[in-house]
Amino acid sequence: QVQLQESGPGLVKPSQTLSLTCTVSGGSISSGGYYWSWIRQHPGKGLEWIGYIYYSGSTYYNPSLKSRVTISVDTSKNQFSLKLSSVTAADTAVYYCARSQLVVAFDIWGQGTMVTVSS
Amino acid sequence: DIQMTQSPSTLSASVGDRVTITCRASQSISSWLAWYQQKPGKAPKLLIYKASSLESGVPSRFSGSGSGTEFTLTISSLQPDDFATYYCQQYNSYPVTFGQGTKVEIK
Repeated sequence: QVQLQESGPGLVKPSQTLSLTCTVSGGSISSGGYYWSWIRQHPGKGLEWIGYIYYSGSTYYNPSLKSRVTISVDTSKNQFSLKLSSVTAADTAVYYCARSQLVVAFDIWGQGTMVTVSS
Repeated sequence: DIQMTQSPSTLSASVGDRVTITCRASQSISSWLAWYQQKPGKAPKLLIYKASSLESGVPSRFSGSGSGTEFTLTISSLQPDDFATYYCQQYNSYPVTFGQGTKVEIK
């Protein structure tokens, strides 16, 4: 059973870079056929897709965040990571990593990690 | 971006009720629609994909229908475990987008 687990700092200062890692267990990122995404949810609000990466390293980002987002993959560690630069209070949210297939949408999610942007 | 609009935003219902939630897309998304259930402090859980396909392990009281721009999620007989917030999501084109959510409350 594939499981995802987010990790990273829960507090980031304004203007700094938010960095999170998602560790995949129970399956290999390199097996192909799946897209690995980051999704966030502002407190009490809906869901916003940030971007995805394929095991080959190809990425696609939400245009609304594209200038500040980098998603990378480390197949040797079975992890993928999110970097969001120049954060402000508006980036305070619960960040989820999730797996999708082209047909099935997001079928497996991490538990989520709360990130607060504050000085 | 494709805008997803859910209605109602909040729904009050009793155990045993039949519940229907509607999701409308700003343009045609064929059948590339998913439904999720989210409980407080938890990640969303996939219920339905490709508009009407039930995810493995999801109770059969959940069903989805629709294509193009209008979709529905139906719970045939609401159970205590079903009180939660439900989101639709289109994956016809990137960026994928979600509806604003429908909270199902106890009446």
